[in-house]
Amino acid sequence: EVQLVESGGDLVQPGRSLRLSCAASGFTFDDYAMHWVRQAPGKGLEWVSSISWNGGSIGYADSVKGRFTISRDNAKNSLYLQMNSLRAEDTALYYCVNSRGLRAYFDYWGQGTLVSVSS
Amino acid sequence: QSALTQPASVSGSPGQSITISCTGTSSDVGSYNLVSWYQQHPGKAPKLIIYEGIKRPSGVSTRFSGSKSGNTASLTISGLQAEDEADYYCCSYAGSSTFYVFGTGTKVTVL
Repeated sequence: EVQLVESGGDLVQPGRSLRLSCAASGFTFDDYAMHWVRQAPGKGLEWVSSISWNGGSIGYADSVKGRFTISRDNAKNSLYLQMNSLRAEDTALYYCVNSRGLRAYFDYWGQGTLVSVSS
Repeated sequence: QSALTQPASVSGSPGQSITISCTGTSSDVGSYNLVSWYQQHPGKAPKLIIYEGIKRPSGVSTRFSGSKSGNTASLTISGLQAEDEADYYCCSYAGSSTFYVFGTGTKVTVL
């Protein structure tokens, strides 16, 4: 059974940093691209960032470019999102998602980890 | 990176068919046969129901079908059931710099 378990969400002040993690199991992690997708409270889905199976190709939404960094550790079956210079508008539930490739559909989703940015 | 446009809400009676549109541009929906659709019930994670525009994952009801014409993709739910009441999002691959763009989301209500 595929499992994606996010962690690291917290209440932080604007301008601070946070690191999200996603522990993957039930599939061959390094066969898959990985993604972060977020959903602000009561709002729609927003793609945040993607990374190819080997980290060779990475992309970011304009809203987080220059502030967020995605990475992965295939030996640990883990995905990360380093979030710097956090803003109130980054408040959201952050989902870890996998896909067969960078052009492919989002296959399995975790349950999300909540990031709240407020003073 | 503008979101794809979906109607905010669509409703129908049990047994009826409804269609949700997803309008993008020639840079996303119009350029790739890589539109996917997701169903999200309240408090739950999204679930893939259509991929590559027209394909259904194993286990997804045949009542869900997808199509595309030009820059607009569509999701049709046939034989509407109470359990179909949820939010629906389209998503398109948008190239090697933008990667992905989601739709604005549609709330489906079963009357």
